[in-house]
Amino acid sequence: NAGVMQNPRHLVRRRGQEARLRCSPMKGHSHVYWYRQLPEEGLKFMVYLQKENIIDESGMPKERFSAEFPKEGPSILRIQQVVRGDSAAYFCASSRRNEKLFFGSGTQLSVL
Amino acid sequence: AQRVTQPEKLLSVFKGAPVELKCNYSYSGSPELFWYVQYSRQRLQLLLRHISRESIKGFTADLNKGETSFHLKKPFAQEEDSAMYYCAPGGNQFYFGTGTSLTVIP
Repeated sequence: NAGVMQNPRHLVRRRGQEARLRCSPMKGHSHVYWYRQLPEEGLKFMVYLQKENIIDESGMPKERFSAEFPKEGPSILRIQQVVRGDSAAYFCASSRRNEKLFFGSGTQLSVL
Repeated sequence: AQRVTQPEKLLSVFKGAPVELKCNYSYSGSPELFWYVQYSRQRLQLLLRHISRESIKGFTADLNKGETSFHLKKPFAQEEDSAMYYCAPGGNQFYFGTGTSLTVIP
């Protein structure tokens, strides 16, 4: 089991472009969580998904951000029309139901 | 939703001194609580889970229902304990605390 895989590790985008962050959960895990970690700040919950369903997106900005976890393939966090304030580390975690989280190594997004 | 609060953003202690990282929760019922740790340049990982009542790397955390707290403690801090620590509620909604950055001064 390779663990939670996130790619890319580093993503550079210019203002106005789209950013797509991918997360492949651990084998057997059907719960995926996305978090954002801003410089000098803690971990902020964004969205919680199960296969094909968004369970809780209360931490997601209302505009430009979306997430999906399709039946097949990785979970995708999509940020449209990125702005400099979107620059952060984005972490994905996966779990089985009611079990501990396993984290990926994160994607560092830099918006120029 | 289950929520936790970590009142200290930064904490510095000297090597060998006791350390306590505070976590308070704000919901009733039987909470399920975790401590996660993120060492420099590493991914977050589970440190301990309250229902297991185990000690990991010398750390323990006791659930205090009267004070609604789940403080993380270690009697003698080591330099390698310097890291970011997050308290988190369990269930299916992992709203992490804001984290406490622990620095152990040699």
